[in-house]
Amino acid sequence: DADVTQTPRNRITKTGKRIMLECSQTKGHDRMYWYRQDPGLGLQLIYYSFDVKDINKGEISDGYSVSRQAQAKFSLSLESAIPNQTALYFCATSDRTGGIDTQYFGPGTRLTVL
Amino acid sequence: GENVEQHPSTLSVQEGDSAVIKCTYSDSASNYFPWYKQELGKGPQLIIDIRSNVGEKKDQRIAVTLNKTAKHFSLHITETQPEDSAVYFCAASGDITASKLTFGTGTRLQVTL
Repeated sequence: DADVTQTPRNRITKTGKRIMLECSQTKGHDRMYWYRQDPGLGLQLIYYSFDVKDINKGEISDGYSVSRQAQAKFSLSLESAIPNQTALYFCATSDRTGGIDTQYFGPGTRLTVL
Repeated sequence: GENVEQHPSTLSVQEGDSAVIKCTYSDSASNYFPWYKQELGKGPQLIIDIRSNVGEKKDQRIAVTLNKTAKHFSLHITETQPEDSAVYFCAASGDITASKLTFGTGTRLQVTL
């Protein structure tokens, strides 16, 4: 969805490096999410944020941190990258139309940690 | 927490045939069940969803059925076309606003000519 953008789209880094993945949205949604996708697995929730002042851990937050700089921006950081963090990372946003948080995903960032 | 199992992991059908993907969930409190389609190089896109107070929902060639007693739900695609080839994910949420989704492991659907 072009309304949710992620940068970079691909990144190769080395073990121990600090990495930041960025997500921006023009949908005007308050809620934003970071997911990780590994081959043969579904998407696993890393962190989510319901507004600028609200940050919550998901299923697999260890080794990750996030920053919600503005309503439209939500960044994911790997303080010291390790090879098992090699994965596809997705950002998503949602609103509450009809009482359900329909989630809209960005195109993903492919991260490789050597 | 919630656990969602999805079968099959791969599915190959001929163009025009039907495809069925099945998911089971563990948390009886789950009340929202979306299905996502992920094309190569793209993020997942919502194609249909169902709430626990509904047994079936249809949208053109796509339908979803829910059996709360058995805790399973299925995606049905009729008259499949090559553009239906993708990876499909089911998900479940017991959160009242459906904010915290638990995803299945995905089904790679291949529609052959």
